[in-house]
Amino acid sequence: SQQGEEDPQALSIQEGENATMNCSYKTSINNLQWYRQNSGRGLVHLILIRSNEREKHSGRLRVTLDTSKKSSSLLITASRAADTASYFCATHLQGAQKLVFGQGTRLTINP
Amino acid sequence: EAGVAQSPRYKIIEKRQSVAFWCNPISGHATLYWYQQILGQGPKLLIQFQNNGVVDDSQLPKDRFSAERLKGVDSTLKIQPAKLEDSAVYLCASSQRTGGNSPLHFGNGTRLTVT
Repeated sequence: SQQGEEDPQALSIQEGENATMNCSYKTSINNLQWYRQNSGRGLVHLILIRSNEREKHSGRLRVTLDTSKKSSSLLITASRAADTASYFCATHLQGAQKLVFGQGTRLTINP
Repeated sequence: EAGVAQSPRYKIIEKRQSVAFWCNPISGHATLYWYQQILGQGPKLLIQFQNNGVVDDSQLPKDRFSAERLKGVDSTLKIQPAKLEDSAVYLCASSQRTGGNSPLHFGNGTRLTVT
């Protein structure tokens, strides 16, 4: 069964604009992670946010977590063509020892 | 540090044939994962090892898929016999700590096409 669901499934914006992707999940988590996947490559870890954290930053990335709404968002500011990729959220469920990935958001940055 | 190594990069086989994939994790990473990623979908965990023991293989189709991690280092995933629906990218990943407590480091995957 799918734990995390990303929204939107696809997003196309102009270079320089901000991109926001959302992830919703169903059960309690220990942490939530965001990954990027370029075409034909493996996934690359971006940010890990723990259940007792509300916001984390890494460069142009900002992740928020709202455990009451069981949702997270990934904001990429001042987007670049190189940000074109698929972005996945992954949840570490309480009581489990594995990460469950969502279906991903396909982001396209137009020059 | 060297990344997760996988081979082969691509493989094309006919249905009912067998195939094997190899993975060498990052040195010192105790946990190793095999994920299946069908085109347009997120990765699905097939099996997770902690050293050379299996932590989770609940979604591994055990009638045709097998995996081993001898000596707690590199790992092989085998499919025998392959079906058309096995066409996917098979991703290997490793992490320092087990099951979700630390980031996963992925290889570039093996793209399998079953005809």
